[in-house]
Amino acid sequence: GAVVSQHPSRVICKSGTSVKIECRSLDFQATTMFWYRQFPKQSLMLMATSNEGSKATYEQGVEKDKFLINHASLTLSTLTVTSAHPEDSSFYICSAPLGRTEAFFGQGTRLTVV
Amino acid sequence: AQKITQTQPGMFVQEKEAVTLDCTYDTSDPSYGLFWYKQPSSGEMIFLIYQGSYDQQNATEGRYSLNFQKARKSANLVISASQLGDSAMYFCAMREVILTGGGNKLTFGTGTQLKVEL
Repeated sequence: GAVVSQHPSRVICKSGTSVKIECRSLDFQATTMFWYRQFPKQSLMLMATSNEGSKATYEQGVEKDKFLINHASLTLSTLTVTSAHPEDSSFYICSAPLGRTEAFFGQGTRLTVV
Repeated sequence: AQKITQTQPGMFVQEKEAVTLDCTYDTSDPSYGLFWYKQPSSGEMIFLIYQGSYDQQNATEGRYSLNFQKARKSANLVISASQLGDSAMYFCAMREVILTGGGNKLTFGTGTQLKVEL
């Protein structure tokens, strides 16, 4: 299947700093990418839809100023967690759709804010 | 609004046996897609199988098959000949069509933790 690469896979940062997570579609173009958050032993919750060339669409309750999304090209979307706090610690994972029948995920990023 | 329900938080199956993971859904859209993903402890989401609402036949991919009962709004995953490596969390998801920009916005169920035993 198609490959979506997400980096870093694991990051520990200090409270108050910002962290950038990259999501790349390696062998196909993705005008839309999705960012999900997953708490331990829970399901994936959609945070936002990243749109190439336009602003991201955020789900209700997601702070757009805290979770900055930039879809710089047809193969790259970034999620920046700004002024991170311990409650932002979570597993973040991106997804890029391919047509109507496939959606591939990155490897995920485990963020720990200390 | 779309909704996905997985009622089995945990399942056990013996190696080489078949297991069925349940998934029911609710949507008012006539066109939709249903996905199953496997998430091992490493966290990655591995795509297993897809079923479109207009597909006449049940989807199959190797040892995975989807028991699609449209009238009952169920899309159960069947894993045949279970292997130890099948132990993982399994998520059912439904595609919501985004009218602007395209793409598959997925709504996930709560997942089923499958453990394959010797």
